Amino acid sequence: DAGITQSPRHKVTETGTPVTLRCHQTENHRYMYWYRQDPGHGLRLIHYSYGVKDTDKGEVSDGYSVSRSKTEDFLLTLESATSSQTSVYFCAISASTGVRGLGEAFFGQGTRLTVV
Amino acid sequence: GDSVTQMEGPVTLSEEAFLTINCTYTATGYPSLFWYVQYPGEGLQLLLKATKADDKGSNKGFEATYRKETTSFHLEKGSVQVSDSAVYFCALSDSTYSNYQLIWGAGTKLIIKP
Repeated sequence: DAGITQSPRHKVTETGTPVTLRCHQTENHRYMYWYRQDPGHGLRLIHYSYGVKDTDKGEVSDGYSVSRSKTEDFLLTLESATSSQTSVYFCAISASTGVRGLGEAFFGQGTRLTVV
Repeated sequence: GDSVTQMEGPVTLSEEAFLTINCTYTATGYPSLFWYVQYPGEGLQLLLKATKADDKGSNKGFEATYRKETTSFHLEKGSVQVSDSAVYFCALSDSTYSNYQLIWGAGTKLIIKP
């Protein structure tokens, strides 16, 4: 199994509080991603990183920020949590195969976040 | 832009039935294609992949053939088991569109009844 760890696995937080989720990898993969998964919406990309300190927005980035100061760590921060951010969050990593684009993605086990 | 379209679920079958989950794609370049599976309470894991036309990916009795002429990558299994109940995602990677992201289908929930 790919070495990718998400923490915490479960969290309950109050509306308006900041929350940080951590993704840690031991594979030295260049690309890292944060997704959220909600019933009826499949996987939606929040933010991604293509290198240390290189990040970009995905399709649902409002209310979220990320940081990547080391290859192995990718942090997702909910600046002021809202009930609409109650979701399951997945981190994924991938490596480039060169001209054929990305290779397979490896996923963490997910973080279930509840905002009350 | 690139996109992946999967058949809507849930798909409900009896044990030992034949399974097909349709997946079609649009891509700017020449993509690699993937099927992922997500079991309840878990993250996604790669089921199979194909990187060029007419390639057949296979794993755990599942197969999918990369059909460039029909832009399809349908998932099939000859005899499903209750343990195959999961959500299945089709995805592509296209270096000419974006070298940073996989493009995902919406997922198809599969329910196998004993």
